[in-house]
Amino acid sequence: AQKVTQAQTEISVVEKEDVTLDCVYETRDTTYYLFWYKQPPSGELVFLIRRNSFDEQNEISGRYSWNFQKSTSSFNFTITASQVVDSAVYFCALSDNDYKLSFGAGTTVTVRA
Amino acid sequence: EAEVAQSPRYKITEKSQAVAFWCDPISGHATLYWYRQILGQGPELLVQFQDESVVDDSQLPKDRFSAERLKGVDSTLKIQPAELGDSAMYLCASSLGSLGYNEQFFGPGTRLTVL
Repeated sequence: AQKVTQAQTEISVVEKEDVTLDCVYETRDTTYYLFWYKQPPSGELVFLIRRNSFDEQNEISGRYSWNFQKSTSSFNFTITASQVVDSAVYFCALSDNDYKLSFGAGTTVTVRA
Repeated sequence: EAEVAQSPRYKITEKSQAVAFWCDPISGHATLYWYRQILGQGPELLVQFQDESVVDDSQLPKDRFSAERLKGVDSTLKIQPAELGDSAMYLCASSLGSLGYNEQFFGPGTRLTVL
């Protein structure tokens, strides 16, 4: 069974627009960790954030913010005032009691100047 | 800043040939991972090492794929013989430990094309 679902395949926005990436996860474990990674065209996955299942506090880091809601099993990611450099594929991932990192299929974000 | 190194960055080969990829993790990272990423999909774990030992290779196609980390530092992933369906990005990652909260640091990957 797929553990992480990123329903949006591609999102295209104009620079300075906000963009929200959806992530829905599935696990039976009470302790788990959620991650977001960015994969620019160069190919390397860049870690953005980690959240544990006991910390539902939303987080903001510069233009990035994350909304974690256990009630809906969602961990959404928003880029505020997008820039061309934000163009990349973004992956949501889950690690639960088997300690494996399960990735979603990714959302390709294209920011046009 | 410490990085995970991988080589080659690109590899083109013909089917039935042998290919090998190399990975050098961040110094001090005991856990090393090899992932395969097919175009348009997320990475999928092939094999995980803790030091020199394999702790998970359940998704590694063992009839043609092999991986080793002889001294618990760098690692090699081999495919023999390569098949058309092996065309993908092969990513190496490392982490301090193997627990779920450990952040994995990824290398730039090797993009394999099998003709």
